[in-house]
Amino acid sequence: SQTIHQWPATLVQPVGSPLSLECTVEGTSNPNLYWYRQAAGRGLQLLFYSVGIGQISSEVPQNLSASRPQDRQFILSSKKLLLSDSGFYLCAWSGARADTQYFGPGTRLTVL
Amino acid sequence: AQKITQTQPGMFVQEKEAVTLDCTYDTSDPSYGLFWYKQPSSGEMIFLIYQGSYDQQNATEGRYSLNFQKARKSANLVISASQLGDSAMYFCAMREGRGNNRLAFGKGNQVVVIP
Repeated sequence: SQTIHQWPATLVQPVGSPLSLECTVEGTSNPNLYWYRQAAGRGLQLLFYSVGIGQISSEVPQNLSASRPQDRQFILSSKKLLLSDSGFYLCAWSGARADTQYFGPGTRLTVL
Repeated sequence: AQKITQTQPGMFVQEKEAVTLDCTYDTSDPSYGLFWYKQPSSGEMIFLIYQGSYDQQNATEGRYSLNFQKARKSANLVISASQLGDSAMYFCAMREGRGNNRLAFGKGNQVVVIP
């Protein structure tokens, strides 16, 4: 069966520091991968998605970036965090036909 | 314009009773998919049920069923025989078109099941 992992689970970072969140998927090949952010008390906002290695689509212009160095690895990064980057970050995967998306456990990021 | 609308305030439900969560959507695409996810306090988004726009019958998945009213553009989730573990936020989401990678989420409904 497929499983999706995210780490770290919780992160507290100062403003201006870099960020790297990792997401890996097991049990499937060539998945579509997604990064979402959820601000407190709100729905999910799609940040990036990828249909293959090195292929990244950005949905929201901001100081975040994403990379997909391997088929089942998706990384969310920032060179300098802002206070507004605080939130709950969820990674998801779906089949290549972009059907149901399945989510990881999430990373709770607090920028101070 | 908002694609998915969930406007119910937080709900308290007696254990073993049914609860209906409202979701209305807005799209001009004849092909779309509707999803419901559950988010417990741990934060993980758990997929519950899916309804395709061309599906003739309402989707069901165990205690979850989707009351799909296409003309009204509503896709309400019904949870039967509520359990304490059903306490969570519930999100409705829509994918427009085929092969579209974008899911639009509503703001969620809070459900608390009381014994």
